[in-house]
Amino acid sequence: GENVEQHPSTLSVQEGDSAVIKCTYSDSASNYFPWYKQELGKRPQLIIDIRSNVGEKKDQRIAVTLNKTAKHFSLHITETQPEDSAVYFCAEAGEYGNKLVFGAGTILRVKS
Amino acid sequence: NAGVMQNPRHLVRRRGQEARLRCSPMKGHSHVYWYRQLPEEGLKFMVYLQKENIIDESGMPKERFSAEFPKEGPSILRIQQVVRGDSAAYFCASSQGTTNGEQYFGPGTRLTVT
Repeated sequence: GENVEQHPSTLSVQEGDSAVIKCTYSDSASNYFPWYKQELGKRPQLIIDIRSNVGEKKDQRIAVTLNKTAKHFSLHITETQPEDSAVYFCAEAGEYGNKLVFGAGTILRVKS
Repeated sequence: NAGVMQNPRHLVRRRGQEARLRCSPMKGHSHVYWYRQLPEEGLKFMVYLQKENIIDESGMPKERFSAEFPKEGPSILRIQQVVRGDSAAYFCASSQGTTNGEQYFGPGTRLTVT
């Protein structure tokens, strides 16, 4: 069945440093990979996504890379700020793109 | 442009009662998804609906849970005879409907069963 593994489960970085979160997935038919940021008690917020026809996508301080052969994708946050502190979830959309399978989440703490 | 709306935001029910959670998708979105998030855990898919149709309910428990998205009005997630294990945050998301469309989440309903 579908499965997404996400690492690390917690990540502490100093303000200004980079943070990298990695996910692997099992469904080789997946073509869509979004990342969500969830602050405590709030809704998951879509921050970036990537489709299988590209290997990398960047939006200001955040970037996502995708390796379809190895079935893994990563989130990169540069120049981290305290407001980046949150739980980050990776997901893949399955064969039909209609339901998201989420990783277990990464708690990111940015220390100032 | 209003986002995904959910109500109530908080719901307390005693064991054995029924819980009804409502979701209005973003304007222009015709696809609705329900996810459950247990305390300090990730999100788990429950059901995917289009207007008047359940497309995929592979994540729904076999008993006590049902969902609908009528022609008029919000999508409803209904939990009958709630038990303590149903306590969770229930999030609704909507998309425009194309394959691999972005899903945008509502603020969630936090259900507490006492």
